[in-house]
Amino acid sequence: GEDVEQSLFLSVREGDSSVINCTYTDSSSTYLYWYKQEPGAGLQLLTYIFSNMDMKQDQRLTVLLNKKDKHLSLRIADTQTGDSAIYFCAESNRNTGFQKLVFGTGTRLLVSP
Amino acid sequence: NAGVTQTPKFQVLKTGQSMTLQCAQDMNHNSMYWYRQDPGMGLRLIYYSASEGTTDKGEVPNGYNVSRLNKREFSLRLESAAPSQTSVYFCASSVSASGRANEQFFGPGTRLTVL
Repeated sequence: GEDVEQSLFLSVREGDSSVINCTYTDSSSTYLYWYKQEPGAGLQLLTYIFSNMDMKQDQRLTVLLNKKDKHLSLRIADTQTGDSAIYFCAESNRNTGFQKLVFGTGTRLLVSP
Repeated sequence: NAGVTQTPKFQVLKTGQSMTLQCAQDMNHNSMYWYRQDPGMGLRLIYYSASEGTTDKGEVPNGYNVSRLNKREFSLRLESAAPSQTSVYFCASSVSASGRANEQFFGPGTRLTVL
């Protein structure tokens, strides 16, 4: 079955770049997503990428996909204290008609001034 | 446009009590989902409804039932609450998966404690 793994914690200084990593196991056609969860709130979709792409950029966010290693990363440029949150990687694939999302355990990003 | 709303925000139950968590969306989405979030375990899918009139089990359906009341509303029922069901419950909705990105929009969550 599908499995998505992330490191638990990342700490950076304000103004630095943050890189959050994720690995996934499914090898069929796959969408990969990044969600952000602020304290006490629901999840907010940041961006997603299809498995035939290598990179996607959206303002301060860059998603890189290494299909060979099944490795996904989210880079946040010029990280701000407001970026402190939990970041979830998730995937949906053709096996389930893209209907179900499988989430990683989340990476807690702490940005210090 | 309120997006996805959930009620209640907080609830404390005693073991064996029942309750229904309510979820509604005003985005005309076809698909709706219920997740639970536990520390260190990410989000796990309980049940989902791909379209009005259909419901399917997710990863952790035991102890729960759902009703897709209409296109807008999707409720989650705990018939006999257990301490293991202490969690944060999230409802989400999406236009539809159907071979494309499943962009899900989440509600603010219900924090449930079972004593």
